[in-house]
Amino acid sequence: EAQVTQNPRYLITVTGKKLTVTCSQNMNHEYMSWYRQDPGLGLRQIYYSMNVEVTDKGDVPEGYKVSRKEKRNFPLILESPSPNQTSLYFCASRGQGWGSPLHFGNGTRLTVT
Amino acid sequence: SQELEQSPQSLIVQEGKNLTINCTSSKTLYGLYWYKQKYGEGLIFLMMLQKGGEEKSHEKITAKLDEKKQQSSLHITASQPSHAGIYLCGAGPDDNFNKFYFGSGTKLNVKP
Repeated sequence: EAQVTQNPRYLITVTGKKLTVTCSQNMNHEYMSWYRQDPGLGLRQIYYSMNVEVTDKGDVPEGYKVSRKEKRNFPLILESPSPNQTSLYFCASRGQGWGSPLHFGNGTRLTVT
Repeated sequence: SQELEQSPQSLIVQEGKNLTINCTSSKTLYGLYWYKQKYGEGLIFLMMLQKGGEEKSHEKITAKLDEKKQQSSLHITASQPSHAGIYLCGAGPDDNFNKFYFGSGTKLNVKP
């Protein structure tokens, strides 16, 4: 089944403890991206990657890192999480054809205390 | 950055009624996507509209793009409880859609 898989679904952590949210897609998509969703602010793009080793900032990249060493994986790294990074995070991927839609994972709900 | 303003923010309709959701962009639209989200879950792609005033329909959902007005509308005919959720529009600042922006969403409840 074609899908984008995020792990974990839920994560509670403390301020400053490094964490990684994994994202994997099995559709051979070149483009992948990360979003955070907050009440009243909607979905905002954190980072995107057009291909292996090619990443770029979205609208809200501060406090996040990404890496794209393999086509299928695009982990999101929070080196020193803070409470304002408590949010619902989504990973998405997209095929190459013009106008191809984003395929979303089921989300990771992160709480930083 | 590009802002996409959706209206209304929320909507409660009786089952069987028609409804319309609007999405207005602060910048030129090169295309526009509509997604549906069930609460706390991932987004499901509904349709993508291309420049040129495209209109698309899928089952009871019709969407249209008016790029002169920098606006899109999504219309649901004879709403059903299964239509309930959050509808989001999305677009990019250019036709690569690498940077991508979403509206803040319209919450739809359909009362049986």
